[in-house]
Amino acid sequence: SAVISQKPSRDICQRGTSLTIQCQVDSQVTMMFWYRQQPGQSLTLIATANQGSEATYESGFVIDKFPISRPNLTFSTLTVSNMSPEDSSIYLCSVGTGRNEQFFGPGTRLTVL
Amino acid sequence: AQKITQTQPGMFVQEKEAVTLDCTYDTSDPSYGLFWYKQPSSGEMIFLIYQGSYDQQNATEGRYSLNFQKARKSANLVISASQLGDSAMYFCAMSRSSGYSTLTFGKGTMLLVSP
Repeated sequence: SAVISQKPSRDICQRGTSLTIQCQVDSQVTMMFWYRQQPGQSLTLIATANQGSEATYESGFVIDKFPISRPNLTFSTLTVSNMSPEDSSIYLCSVGTGRNEQFFGPGTRLTVL
Repeated sequence: AQKITQTQPGMFVQEKEAVTLDCTYDTSDPSYGLFWYKQPSSGEMIFLIYQGSYDQQNATEGRYSLNFQKARKSANLVISASQLGDSAMYFCAMSRSSGYSTLTFGKGTMLLVSP
């Protein structure tokens, strides 16, 4: 398994501002992913964070709104830009360590006022 | 496209009893993986169990077992001897066959265990 940490664990932000969420893994992993969980909903994949290249975004998510960095095999950041109340969600990073393993970080609870 | 369906918004079970959480899936991929996660009120996603589409035997992990019926495209989670700490949201998910581990999630089932 992998130990994953996220910072911050929670934040309350004003609309129009941006927040950068950090994800740190205790071992090198090839695949890192960012998911969003809106209140009372299931998880939706935002993007796959690729090391050394641009992230691959899912339909409905764009780089200008959710820029992602992946500078090395243990770290990634997700920025939620120009936030609105609709961005209030739990944001989770996860890592794929193999075909049958995917572990999640503890999540970042974001509230936008 | 892959799709996961969890038809039970909520389930109730008494402590020490077994409970089955339903999950059906749809995919045209011959190779895929099925996952179950537990999400307590704290929000973390806890990996419970995995079943590969080519696995011959049903997966088991302690009190968790996965009842995999490929022809019916179902992957139900069975929790034996329920405990109060099992009260949480449970998500069924499917991985794509492209070599990536991206997951498609169902809407979840809220399980409440009563004393």
